[in-house]
Amino acid sequence: NFMLTQPRSVSESPGKTVTISCTGSSGSIASNYVQWYQQRPGSAPTTVIYEDNQRPSGVPDRFSGSIDSSSNSASLTISGLKTEDEAEYYCQSYDSSNHVVFGGGTKLTVL
Amino acid sequence: QVQLQESGPGLVKPSETLSLTCTVSGGSVSSGSYCWSWIRQPPGKGLDWIGYIHYSGSINYNPSLKSRVTISVDTSKNQFSLKLSSVTAADTAVYYCARFLAGDLSVDYWGQGTLVTVSS
Repeated sequence: NFMLTQPRSVSESPGKTVTISCTGSSGSIASNYVQWYQQRPGSAPTTVIYEDNQRPSGVPDRFSGSIDSSSNSASLTISGLKTEDEAEYYCQSYDSSNHVVFGGGTKLTVL
Repeated sequence: QVQLQESGPGLVKPSETLSLTCTVSGGSVSSGSYCWSWIRQPPGKGLDWIGYIHYSGSINYNPSLKSRVTISVDTSKNQFSLKLSSVTAADTAVYYCARFLAGDLSVDYWGQGTLVTVSS
């Protein structure tokens, strides 16, 4: 079964840059698109990155996505951290049968 | 603006069938560009994909839930539905309906979510 693994938590100070990783268990993570969702407590998730590195309108360019084939991982980078970025972040992709897979989520704390 | 709204019982007894409906406004479930999906989130845990349906009838389920899940679409009401049978306490979760872009399987719209508790 294809799985996506994320760190449980990361923390960083306001104004700094943080990167959240998402590692694929098998195959090439570059074969299928990776998305990233932000979820604040009590709210539905919202998309911050789709198709590996595309930002929906309204998402600031402080958010960026990338793929590293050598480590079979995707990354979400948030620069110029703000306290409002504190949330849970989920990566998402799909397997060769088009079964959707979510990572376990990473709690970002902005101290 | 596309909106999705979940509806259904908030409490279901163990061994019974959980039934939810998602009403879509501002868009059509008959559009070939999208797949209509259910995703759940147990309290304090992560997101768990349940399955999706394309209006053409193409359906894909999470293999771990496939034996208990049915997703259907009603184009006349612009709705799609979820049935999950033989529920247990482990099925207690916030259930979201969502719209996936068929081309890249990314979610562009989510419902607000509805909490379903399985308890006698």
